[in-house]
Amino acid sequence: DAGVIQSPRHEVTEMGQEVTLRCKPISGHDYLFWYRQTMMRGLELLIYFNNNVPIDDSGMPEDRFSAKMPNASFSTLKIQPSEPRDSAVYFCASSSPLVGSTDTQYFGPGTRLTVL
Amino acid sequence: GEDVEQSLFLSVREGDSSVINCTYTDSSSTYLYWYKQEPGAGLQLLTYIFSNMDMKQDQRLTVLLNKKDKHLSLRIADTQTGDSAIYFCAESMDSGYALNFGKGTSLLVTP
Repeated sequence: DAGVIQSPRHEVTEMGQEVTLRCKPISGHDYLFWYRQTMMRGLELLIYFNNNVPIDDSGMPEDRFSAKMPNASFSTLKIQPSEPRDSAVYFCASSSPLVGSTDTQYFGPGTRLTVL
Repeated sequence: GEDVEQSLFLSVREGDSSVINCTYTDSSSTYLYWYKQEPGAGLQLLTYIFSNMDMKQDQRLTVLLNKKDKHLSLRIADTQTGDSAIYFCAESMDSGYALNFGKGTSLLVTP
């Protein structure tokens, strides 16, 4: 398996623009997580899905952020409008916890977002 | 979520042992994890320990768990320069499937 795939790897945009980050989880994984990593706040969980349904979005900073998972193999995180304080590395992770197994999460390489 | 605490920085000399410490708060955590992040990369699972275990050894890595004190440690024997990275401790959250991460310990290995 190719692992978790994220695109783009780097994104530079101007304040006010819409940004869409993409993620393809590992095939067969039924949990998908979006994280944001900054120097100040470390790794923050934004939202996670189970079987394409959002379970907990309490970490989403504000209404400018939205996430969707239209099918088991694709998810997007959208920021509209973007602001400089959204600059961070955004990670997607997936997992497939089974009875008696761990809930190990497998991370993608991340998208480094810079908002000017 | 509640806080998972780690020291921010550790420096060791090549060949020495490194010990990275972590305290967690959720006594119901089923598994506890150590992840490694190299510069410019995502997090990579290093090892994990089930909450009913005290110790787990995997080659150069030893994980110790003190449930009473909610203290987790990662020992890296014969530390190499390639071990320089950020190490994250994580616990399972109440939901069972989301993880609560610490802020990471930056390990610097000097020759």
